[in-house]
Amino acid sequence: EVQLVESGGDLVQPGGSLRLSCEGSGFTFSSYSMNWVRQAPGKGLEWLSYIDGSDGTLYYADSVKGRFTISRDNAKNSLYLQMDSLRAEDTAVYYCARGFTVIRGLIMAYWGQGTLVTVSS
Amino acid sequence: QSVLTQPPSVSAAPGQKVTISCSGSSSNIGNNYVSWYQQLPGTAPKLLIYDNNKRPSGIPDRFSGSKSGTSATLGITGLQTGDEADYYCGTWDSSLSGVVFGGGTKLTVL
Repeated sequence: EVQLVESGGDLVQPGGSLRLSCEGSGFTFSSYSMNWVRQAPGKGLEWLSYIDGSDGTLYYADSVKGRFTISRDNAKNSLYLQMDSLRAEDTAVYYCARGFTVIRGLIMAYWGQGTLVTVSS
Repeated sequence: QSVLTQPPSVSAAPGQKVTISCSGSSSNIGNNYVSWYQQLPGTAPKLLIYDNNKRPSGIPDRFSGSKSGTSATLGITGLQTGDEADYYCGTWDSSLSGVVFGGGTKLTVL
């Protein structure tokens, strides 16, 4: 069974940094592309970033480009999101999501339960 | 302001059919496949439809998808109270080089 477990969410001050983790199990982690998606309280889904499982291609939403960095450690079956220069509007539940198949990484077929990031002084 | 436009809410009675629209442009829906996601209250999103009209394993055929030009539609027949959820369309946007979602549609089964 595919499982994704996010961690690292916390209360952080504006301008601060945080690193989120997502550990995958039940599948060959290194073969799959991964995404980060967030959802602000009472709002809709916002895609943030993608990392390809084979060639390392990265994509970012304009809203986080230059502030957030996606990475992965296949030996640890883990995906990361380094978040710097955090703002109040980054407050959200952050989900990691696995691609549908090895070559269809932008179809988000499996999702974690989410981790809450609160940016406030 | 979402790149893809969905109605904020739709409603219908149990057993009836409902459709949810998703409108975009040539840079997204017009030239890319559309996916639909269901988010039940308090839970993570779930993939319902991919490649415009395909259902992943385990998704009942009460759920269907279609696309025409720069718009896509999710259809749900035989509505059940358990279908009450937020529904999101999503696709790749070639101009933005990123995935875009609609603002979401809240389905109420009266």
